[in-house]
Amino acid sequence: EAGVVQSPRYKIIEKKQPVAFWCNPISGHNTLYWYRQNLGQGPELLIRYENEEAVDDSQLPKDRFSAERLKGVDSTLKIQPAELGDSAVYLCASSGGQPEGTEAFFGQGTRLTVV
Amino acid sequence: GDSVTQMEGPVTLSEEAFLTINCTYTATGYPSLFWYVQYPGEGLQLLLKATKADDKGSNKGFEATYRKETTSFHLEKGSVQVSDSAVYFCALGSGGYQKVTFGTGTKLQVIP
Repeated sequence: EAGVVQSPRYKIIEKKQPVAFWCNPISGHNTLYWYRQNLGQGPELLIRYENEEAVDDSQLPKDRFSAERLKGVDSTLKIQPAELGDSAVYLCASSGGQPEGTEAFFGQGTRLTVV
Repeated sequence: GDSVTQMEGPVTLSEEAFLTINCTYTATGYPSLFWYVQYPGEGLQLLLKATKADDKGSNKGFEATYRKETTSFHLEKGSVQVSDSAVYFCALGSGGYQKVTFGTGTKLQVIP
């Protein structure tokens, strides 16, 4: 079974430019997460989807970040415009969405460097 | 809100030493508890999990017991190897949609 697939793996952009990340979750997983992991820190949730609905986006900086999951499968996360402080690894994860005992499976992440 | 606190690293051990990485949590209800591992250059992988009080999760020689009375989920291994060098994250999952909250991670370095 394929795992969570993210692309690109690495991205270097200049500040003020836009950037987008793509995630394909594990087939059948209706819960999708976007996390940001700063260097030396644990992942922090940006947004969580149940199917196509964003059920928790309280930590998403909405002035510059946006996300979508139009058909309840793939998802994209966008930053426009990027700032130097956005340099981090952006992780996508998915889970089966059951109430208990279901872990999140992670992709390898996209390492963003803003220069 | 939910939170996870784990011991700061880095932790440096000699091969075959005993490992303990402390983790405590704050959560409403009855969360599931996880340990994830991140090997150098790789993504996060689930190491073990426990879904209710007194459950013991185990994998690859690692163990952790869900202690509700002390709100803890300490990770242990009797004899570490160089290949165990990685960053270990304690996490909890709570809520109807399995919201996952992570600790800040503990870097383990095992030297020969």
